[in-house]
Amino acid sequence: QVQLVQSGAEVKKPGASVKVSCKASGYRFTSYYIHWVRQAPGQGLEWMGWIDPNSGGTNYAQNFQGWVTMTRDTSISTAYMELRSDDTAVYYCAREEDNSSLQYWGQGTLVTVSS
Amino acid sequence: QSALTQPASVSGSPGQSITISCTGISSDGGSYKLVSWYQQHPGKAPKLMIYEGSKWPSGVSNRFSGSKSGNTASLTISGLQAEDEADYFCFSYAGSNTWVFGGGTKLTVL
Repeated sequence: QVQLVQSGAEVKKPGASVKVSCKASGYRFTSYYIHWVRQAPGQGLEWMGWIDPNSGGTNYAQNFQGWVTMTRDTSISTAYMELRSDDTAVYYCAREEDNSSLQYWGQGTLVTVSS
Repeated sequence: QSALTQPASVSGSPGQSITISCTGISSDGGSYKLVSWYQQHPGKAPKLMIYEGSKWPSGVSNRFSGSKSGNTASLTISGLQAEDEADYFCFSYAGSNTWVFGGGTKLTVL
């Protein structure tokens, strides 16, 4: 079955970057785009961008341009999202289906910013 | 990209129907098919409830339905049940290979 398993919770200092991973299994990794979504505490979902695991091509939301980098390692079916932000939030990865919906989601990774 | 506009909260009693709107969907003909809806319970990942504006993924109850009028997509939940209490988000293509979520609606089952 399709699974997206994300890396564990992180605590980072203000100004530092954090890299979250999203390991895919149960399907051909290069066949589906991976999206990243942010959710600050008590807030809504915010679309960050996507990566095409086949080509490595990316597209970022305007709010995150210059702050986020999405990459992938096809040899281990894993997508990465590196962010330089001082916002505490949960970050999700999700697979884009052929019908353009996000049916499969990772469990979320909490990134806490604390000095 | 501006977030799509949803009501902050809606409520209904068990057995009733409620509708959540999502305004700001692109008006070009193809964009409605790029609207999906998600349910999120506290501390959980979002769950896909409707795709292509009005279709159900396998395993989702047909008490959930989607529709469109003008630049507004809507999610209707009929026969409200206690377990429907959650946050709901719409998601749509926003042009230039970007996507956008609605601000989210908190559904309370009274």
